[in-house]
Amino acid sequence: EPEVTQTPSHQVTQMGQEVILRCVPISNHLYFYWYRQILGQKVEFLVSFYNNEISEKSEIFDDQFSVERPDGSNFTLKIRSTKLEDSAMYFCASSLSPYEQYFGPGTRLTVT
Amino acid sequence: GDSVTQMEGPVTLSEEAFLTINCTYTATGYPSLFWYVQYPGEGLQLLLKATKADDKGSNKGFEATYRKETTSFHLEKGSVQVSDSAVYFCALSDPGGGADGLTFGKGTHLIIQP
Repeated sequence: EPEVTQTPSHQVTQMGQEVILRCVPISNHLYFYWYRQILGQKVEFLVSFYNNEISEKSEIFDDQFSVERPDGSNFTLKIRSTKLEDSAMYFCASSLSPYEQYFGPGTRLTVT
Repeated sequence: GDSVTQMEGPVTLSEEAFLTINCTYTATGYPSLFWYVQYPGEGLQLLLKATKADDKGSNKGFEATYRKETTSFHLEKGSVQVSDSAVYFCALSDPGGGADGLTFGKGTHLIIQP
């Protein structure tokens, strides 16, 4: 069964550094998303991406964040200058329609 | 804006007990409703879904019915197993209301004791 994959599974970085989180969505899916889950809290929507552009973003997704689909398979989330409060699990998701999203296993980002 | 409220946990049950996890929602459009499950150390897995009123989603013995009149989508299972121990998230998708992303509840931690 096709699945969403994410790399790395765990990323440790120092405050102020740039990080890129990578995702390979399910191959025929058209909609792509990033979410985050701070430890012990609920999953929060960050951004959705369709037709090579951002279709929606939340208040969390400020100028420090950017997304890109550099080729036909990868979908990346970049955090320009990490802060301690960016420490969280980041989930990528993809869907064929807006109604049913499939999630990857997540990347745990630890900012020290 | 859209929101999802679900019962706080942890919920502790004995094996073979009946499970109900309550979920209610508010939405501006006509949302689709989902239950996701997160096992320890893993990502989110779609458990079941319902896309319109009175639909019943079911999977692995779990069921939930989309009740528009009470804006609810309660998760039920007749006989839980130790392997059902996980965190369960109720979520909605409301693209018609202008929101692409899923709105999640806070999650309910379910603990099943043998």
